[in-house]
Amino acid sequence: GENVEQHPSTLSVQEGDSAVIKCTYSDSASNYFPWYKQELGKGPQLIIDIRSNVGEKKDQRIAVTLNKTAKHFSLHITETQPEDSAVYFCAASRGRGYSTLTFGKGTMLLVSP
Amino acid sequence: KAGVTQTPRYLIKTRGQQVTLSCSPISGHRSVSWYQQTPGQGLQFLFEYFSETQRNKGNFPGRFSGRQFSNSRSEMNVSTLELGDSALYLCASSNGGATDTQYFGPGTRLTVL
Repeated sequence: GENVEQHPSTLSVQEGDSAVIKCTYSDSASNYFPWYKQELGKGPQLIIDIRSNVGEKKDQRIAVTLNKTAKHFSLHITETQPEDSAVYFCAASRGRGYSTLTFGKGTMLLVSP
Repeated sequence: KAGVTQTPRYLIKTRGQQVTLSCSPISGHRSVSWYQQTPGQGLQFLFEYFSETQRNKGNFPGRFSGRQFSNSRSEMNVSTLELGDSALYLCASSNGGATDTQYFGPGTRLTVL
């Protein structure tokens, strides 16, 4: 089955810096890659996703890049703010007929003022 | 549009008991997926229901079961609870397509004593 590795497990940055979280996946048939943000006491919330026919996608301060040859994808957050502090999860899905997400173990991002 | 709701939010049970958790998806969504979240194993897929049929199942023992009703609401049941079943149980709803976004509820925190 699919396996998703996520690094780093924790990331501390200063407000205004950029943050990068990287994930690799094992199943070459995966073609859907969402990123979720989870705050304390809440369920994961989708922040951005990318599909295999796109190499990069941007939404304001957040961008995701995908390299299907190397089977890795990354989340980039620019101009970080304290409210970006949360746990971030990457996920992958084969996306055939139905969607089952395989998640990475998560990255705790701490943005210091 | 109302989000995914889960009830109850918190549960405390003792070993050997059984428990039923409920999930109401976003209006119009026909797919409900269940995930278990623990500090050690992260987010793991339990099963997915679409139009009252289980479409996919993760690698969990038969003590974990679920069902979906005609209004798309879903329940999951865990019988003969073990200490290791203590976790946050999350449900996610979507339109059910291969790369459709999955929207998560706030989860049910189950503690087994």
